[in-house]
Amino acid sequence: EAGVAQSPRYKIIEKRQSVAFWCNPISGHATLYWYQQILGQGPKLLIQFQNNGVVDDSQLPKDRFSAERLKGVDSTLKIQPAKLEDSAVYLCASSLGGLAGVYEQYFGPGTRLTVT
Amino acid sequence: DQQVKQNSPSLSVQEGRISILNCDYTNSMFDYFLWYKKYPAEGPTFLISISSIKDKNEDGRFTVFLNKSAKHLSLHIVPSQPGDSAVYFCAASAPKGADGLTFGKGTHLIIQP
Repeated sequence: EAGVAQSPRYKIIEKRQSVAFWCNPISGHATLYWYQQILGQGPKLLIQFQNNGVVDDSQLPKDRFSAERLKGVDSTLKIQPAKLEDSAVYLCASSLGGLAGVYEQYFGPGTRLTVT
Repeated sequence: DQQVKQNSPSLSVQEGRISILNCDYTNSMFDYFLWYKKYPAEGPTFLISISSIKDKNEDGRFTVFLNKSAKHLSLHIVPSQPGDSAVYFCAASAPKGADGLTFGKGTHLIIQP
């Protein structure tokens, strides 16, 4: 079974530029998550989708971050404009979801973003 | 406000001995707990989980213990192997695992030969 795919793996941009990350979850997983992991910290949830609907985006900085999950499969996370403090690893995860009684989340390799 | 705390940034254990990683939480709404293992340049890998209705869950060399009254859980690895060297994250979720996870800062486990 293929795991969660993410691209790009690495990205370097200047502050005030925009950037987009892509995620393809495990086939059949209804729930998709985006996390931000700053160096030395644990991952922090940014947004959670159930199929193509947003379940929780309370920690998403909506003035600069946006995310979508069209057709309930792939998802993109965008930052516009980027700030220095956005330098982090952006992790995508998926799970079958609570309705299936399975709660474990499976993570992709992440995208390491450096903002200079 | 750290709702999930891993107070040991690092832990060094001799190969073959027991590794014990600890985790404390403050939010009494958490009812599902997970441990993830992370190697450099990779995403976290699910290791083992426990529901709040249990106090122990075992999977091979890995056992997780949950003490709800103390809001404390621990991961035991017996025997420790060199491949266990990684960063271990404790994570919690509520209700019933349907929400996103709240992670601790991680503990870097180093297995000494």
